[in-house]
Amino acid sequence: IAGITQAPTSQILAAGRRMTLRCTQDMRHNAMYWYRQDLGLGLRLIHYSNTAGTTGKGEVPDGYSVSRANTDDFPLTLASAVPSQTSVYFCASSVAWDQPQHFGDGTRLSIL
Amino acid sequence: QKEVEQNSGPLSVPEGAIASLNCTYSDRGSQSFFWYRQYSGKSPELIMFIYSNGDKEDGRFTAQLNKASQYVSLLIRDSQPSDSATYLCAVKEYGGATNKLIFGTGTLLAVQP
Repeated sequence: IAGITQAPTSQILAAGRRMTLRCTQDMRHNAMYWYRQDLGLGLRLIHYSNTAGTTGKGEVPDGYSVSRANTDDFPLTLASAVPSQTSVYFCASSVAWDQPQHFGDGTRLSIL
Repeated sequence: QKEVEQNSGPLSVPEGAIASLNCTYSDRGSQSFFWYRQYSGKSPELIMFIYSNGDKEDGRFTAQLNKASQYVSLLIRDSQPSDSATYLCAVKEYGGATNKLIFGTGTLLAVQP
């Protein structure tokens, strides 16, 4: 089934550890995004990529990094996790940067 | 800080009624507007998008856009209990190479059987 696959589904992580959230799409969408969703704050953009080989910073990029080596994959890395990064993380993609975005199922991440 | 505002609700409507969800935005340059539905514990699902002033209908859903007043609304006709979810309004912010989608915090809709 075509779509966006995120892994892991959920994770509990000790503070200070490094973690990579995986996102893969098979729709050949050019643009991909990472959001975090926190109660009362809504969805906030962390990083985005308009096309393979390019990335950009969103609203809340600090503590996160991304790479876009190919069209399909857009991993999000927390270099040294902190408790404030406890959240639900959604990956999304769109055909192009100005087209509607479609979301993956999310990763629930808890930093202790 | 450019903002998208929604009433958090809950908005409670009886089954079969029209549910009206509203959203205002601060950036006059916004060009694209989206409505997502999010069930509890699930990911956002795109249900409507609108680019031009006026109404856009898709089945039981109608999106209405008024750029002069800076609001966008979503009407759900013949509301069903399965429509009970949080509805997120999102506005595309344009500027140079950025393509940020700014989300409201959502309105919780409860359709009573």
